Amino acid sequence: AQSVTQLDSHVSVSEGTPVLLRCNYSSSYSPSLFWYVQHPNKGLQLLLKYTSAATLVKGINGFEAEFKKSETSFHLTKPSAHMSDAAEYFCVVTSFTDKLIFGTGTRLQVFP
Amino acid sequence: DTAVSQTPKYLVTQMGNDKSIKCEQNLGHDTMYWYKQDSKKFLKIMFSYNNKELIINETVPNRFSPKSPDKAHLNLHINSLELGDSAVYFCASSQSLALDTQYFGPGTRLTVL
Repeated sequence: AQSVTQLDSHVSVSEGTPVLLRCNYSSSYSPSLFWYVQHPNKGLQLLLKYTSAATLVKGINGFEAEFKKSETSFHLTKPSAHMSDAAEYFCVVTSFTDKLIFGTGTRLQVFP
Repeated sequence: DTAVSQTPKYLVTQMGNDKSIKCEQNLGHDTMYWYKQDSKKFLKIMFSYNNKELIINETVPNRFSPKSPDKAHLNLHINSLELGDSAVYFCASSQSLALDTQYFGPGTRLTVL
């Protein structure tokens, strides 16, 4: 069975400082991992995905994530936060099923 | 053009009523999904269809019945609405399997009074 654990329900940063959103996964197979973002009252948008190619994945809006099998982690980072990054972020895992398994989400707040 | 659209955006109704939510995608995708997001923002898949055929049917009350008249549409009909059905329902589509990027609609906020 697959699962993801997002270690922080809330993260607050100042504009211009780095962002780190943590995600650990559990999977019986080689997983595919995603990060989705949900802005207030909006649908979900894919930020990036890992599907067994390069372990460092670059996404949209300056985000990237590194797949670390030894740590079963897929943390999302951005060097410098922008006010528009304030949103809910979901770490997602899937493998050979057709189901996306969502984490519980991390709310990112960005202060000026 | 909106890739995945849902109607209505908001739906307020009384317990016991029957309601439908419609979803359309203009991406030419083969697979469509329904997700439920509860008040704590937790997202869970309900159904998926591939080429109008039901692929995933999670443990969802049989009051919920998806219908796919064609590849571009996946509607969700809910009978005898209950308070616990209040949530945001998201439709999504992908080219084929879950490994493909899923594109989400804007969501339908259902409130059952």
